[in-house]
Amino acid sequence: DVVMTQSPLSLPVTLGQPASISCRSSQSLVHSDGNTYLNWFQQRPGQSPRRLIYKVSNRDSGVPDRFSGSGSGTDFTLKISRVEAEDVGVYYCMQGTHWPPVFGGGTKVEIK
Amino acid sequence: QVQLVQSGAEVKKPGASVKVSCKASGYTFTSYDINWVRQATGQGLEWMGWMNPNSGNTGYAQKFQGRVTMTRNTSISTAYMELSSLRSEDTAVYYCARGSFQDYWGQGTLVTVSS
Repeated sequence: DVVMTQSPLSLPVTLGQPASISCRSSQSLVHSDGNTYLNWFQQRPGQSPRRLIYKVSNRDSGVPDRFSGSGSGTDFTLKISRVEAEDVGVYYCMQGTHWPPVFGGGTKVEIK
Repeated sequence: QVQLVQSGAEVKKPGASVKVSCKASGYTFTSYDINWVRQATGQGLEWMGWMNPNSGNTGYAQKFQGRVTMTRNTSISTAYMELSSLRSEDTAVYYCARGSFQDYWGQGTLVTVSS
């Protein structure tokens, strides 16, 4: 199976400051159809996961534009341009290119 | 609006089975796969498998092969996930999610396995 490695494990951030989460895969996530199926999810405390970004950089409807995704091949990043209190939670990357789908271990974002 | 509403919390004894339901609304049920993901307390997300509600075809993570069965009832737009031979390590919140890339999620169902 593909291994998805996220860093850091924990990310204390000051309100209004940027935050960046890394996600690395053990093999390229470029599918034979040319797409890269790398998604990002946010899980606020006590809630279900919510998809933020699909196919590396496409924001889901209703997701604030302070969230952005980038990367290619095996190296991907989720950035929050200015962290707000509602962004506290755990963020997961997930690959859907190779069977089976695999989630990263998660990055906990908290306010300093 | 798209909604996935799951059945309520369950408490089971080791060795028993549990069946969790996921009722879809706000879209054509047979047009999107249903995926199942679980999360043990304080842990990360673990993908379990998927089902195509149109064909009934399924695919399971190797870890759950032989213990999990995913089915559906298209007349009531409901998907089911049954996990058998339960052990304490299966205590977790079980989620259903729409589509291959999980764009909508259910509220989760807590399954507790305890003697």
